[in-house]
Amino acid sequence: EAGVAQSPRYKIIEKRQSVAFWCNPISGHATLYWYQQILGQGPKLLIQFQNNGVVDDSQLPKDRFSAERLKGVDSTLKIQPAKLEDSAVYLCASSLKSSGAFFGQGTRLTVV
Amino acid sequence: AQRVTQPEKLLSVFKGAPVELKCNYSYSGSPELFWYVQYSRQRLQLLLRHISRESIKGFTADLNKGETSFHLKKPFAQEEDSAMYYCALRISSASKIIFGSGTRLSIRP
Repeated sequence: EAGVAQSPRYKIIEKRQSVAFWCNPISGHATLYWYQQILGQGPKLLIQFQNNGVVDDSQLPKDRFSAERLKGVDSTLKIQPAKLEDSAVYLCASSLKSSGAFFGQGTRLTVV
Repeated sequence: AQRVTQPEKLLSVFKGAPVELKCNYSYSGSPELFWYVQYSRQRLQLLLRHISRESIKGFTADLNKGETSFHLKKPFAQEEDSAMYYCALRISSASKIIFGSGTRLSIRP
């Protein structure tokens, strides 16, 4: 089966600009996660969807980050405006309720 | 609060030596634990889960609720085991998955 697809793979932007990341989960996976992984750290959950509803967004910086999952399939994560500390790899993952999460390749964001 | 702790940032062992990657967790409910691995230039992938009680690539991990640990073990390390390893905890009621900070395993020839 096809894995989790993410785009773009790399993105370089200037601070205060906006950026968007896209994720297509594994077909049939109701749960979708967005994680932020800063260099040298483990993945940190930003937001979790169950179908098109938000289950947990307690660590999402809502003043600048937003995410949506229209129709319960694809998802987009947006940052506006970006800060230098947002430089990280953004990981999308999906899962069935009873399984582990399957990850995409990630998007490496550099804010300069 | 739920937390996963991996005390070692780097573990270096010789090929053929035993490996143990430590993981401790804090969670008051019924935990579901995972080990994930990330090889160089590859995506993060699931290695094993405690409920499966299986051995993958020679690795095993046993959940010890008394010590709140889920250490990953392999009796004889191979060079291809060199990678980043992450321990993760699922908050079963909400399916939230929390990761530790990771341990880099380096196998010396």
